[in-house]
Amino acid sequence: NAGVTQTPKFQVLKTGQSMTLQCAQDMNHNSMYWYRQDPGMGLRLIYYSASEGTTDKGEVPNGYNVSRLNKREFSLRLESAAPSQTSVYFCASSVGTGNNQPQHFGDGTRLSIL
Amino acid sequence: GDSVTQMEGPVTLSEEACLTINCTYTATGYPSLFWYVQYPGEGLQLLLKATKADDKGSNKGFEATYRKETTSFHLEKGSVQVSDSAVYFCALYGAGGAQKLVFGQGTRLTINP
Repeated sequence: NAGVTQTPKFQVLKTGQSMTLQCAQDMNHNSMYWYRQDPGMGLRLIYYSASEGTTDKGEVPNGYNVSRLNKREFSLRLESAAPSQTSVYFCASSVGTGNNQPQHFGDGTRLSIL
Repeated sequence: GDSVTQMEGPVTLSEEACLTINCTYTATGYPSLFWYVQYPGEGLQLLLKATKADDKGSNKGFEATYRKETTSFHLEKGSVQVSDSAVYFCALYGAGGAQKLVFGQGTRLTINP
């Protein structure tokens, strides 16, 4: 009954280091998403993948790249981490991108950039 | 662009009190509206949704009605419990054909016994 699994749960990086956040879902969902959550700002969409083989930018894509490795996995990469990327990152998935399709969220990755 | 505004928190209530968390939105077209809940250390979970005007979503004693005339989707519960302590997010989806959720800033709710 895993749902959406994110790894790692916590990470501390130095400015300029690179890092890949992993996300996997076992619900056979077509669509996957990466968000960041910052105090007082709700969740903001970084990138999403409507279906396997496609990715699109969200609201705040700068400084990030993504890979939809297969239907189950959607990774987020920080090539050169900056303090402004300190945040809690959430991965989500849904059956599709229609407005009746609820998104299922992982438990988050808390990332600190020093 | 599309946006969601929630009442500022934190909100602190006693057990069995009535709860209202205000949510208003700005959007083109006819979005679907959602309330998500985030318990400590966890991701967001869908609490309820409404997809058209005058629809009422309900779950776990919570309710919200899609009011197109006031562009609102206020969350209500008649008698809260300590276990309702969490952060609540109002969100909209699909306004103007955009394939994404737009979240409010979240409202932290604490219920004291």
